[in-house]
Amino acid sequence: AQSVAQPEDQVNVAEGNPLTVKCTYSVSGNPYLFWYVQYPNRGLQFLLKYITGDNLVKGSYGFEAEFNKSQTSFHLKKPSALVSDSALYFCAVREAVLTGGGNKLTFGTGTQLKVEL
Amino acid sequence: EAQVTQNPRYLITVTGKKLTVTCSQNMNHEYMSWYRQDPGLGLRQIYYSMNVEVTDKGDVPEGYKVSRKEKRNFPLILESPSPNQTSLYFCASSPMGVGGYEQYFGPGTRLTVT
Repeated sequence: AQSVAQPEDQVNVAEGNPLTVKCTYSVSGNPYLFWYVQYPNRGLQFLLKYITGDNLVKGSYGFEAEFNKSQTSFHLKKPSALVSDSALYFCAVREAVLTGGGNKLTFGTGTQLKVEL
Repeated sequence: EAQVTQNPRYLITVTGKKLTVTCSQNMNHEYMSWYRQDPGLGLRQIYYSMNVEVTDKGDVPEGYKVSRKEKRNFPLILESPSPNQTSLYFCASSPMGVGGYEQYFGPGTRLTVT
């Protein structure tokens, strides 16, 4: 079984400061990990993913995420937050080896990011 | 433009009145999936399909039906909606295979059942 935990319901940060949104996961084998962002009244937009290779993954809008296998974490980061980054962020996981269920992603409960001036 | 479309975007209905939410993708994706999003629960998978005529239950399938008669379409059917199906629904699609493919999401359908 695969699962994701996002321990913070909300993260507040001042514009210009670095931000981190936390995610930990659990899978039987190797993971594929994803971050999505949801703006109000919009669908989910893909930000970045880790499949294999370099543990630091760069994605859209200046976001990056660090895969840490020993801590089973995939935290989302940005060096300098913008007010326009305020949105709901979802982490998702899938086992690398398909054993049924197709391309099933398991999502966390989401973290609301609020960036203030 | 590559996209997933859903209709309607907003729907208010009454208990027991059958409804269908349509989903269509223009990317020739094999995999399609329906999710519902509820506060504090994230996204939960309702049903998925790995190709035409191949569908299976997700984590919360009770009260829902799907069909996949064409590769591009994956409608969600509520035969007898109940208030606990009030939610925000998303359709998503992706390629199948060994690669770590991200899913593409539709804009969502906000359903209210009274």
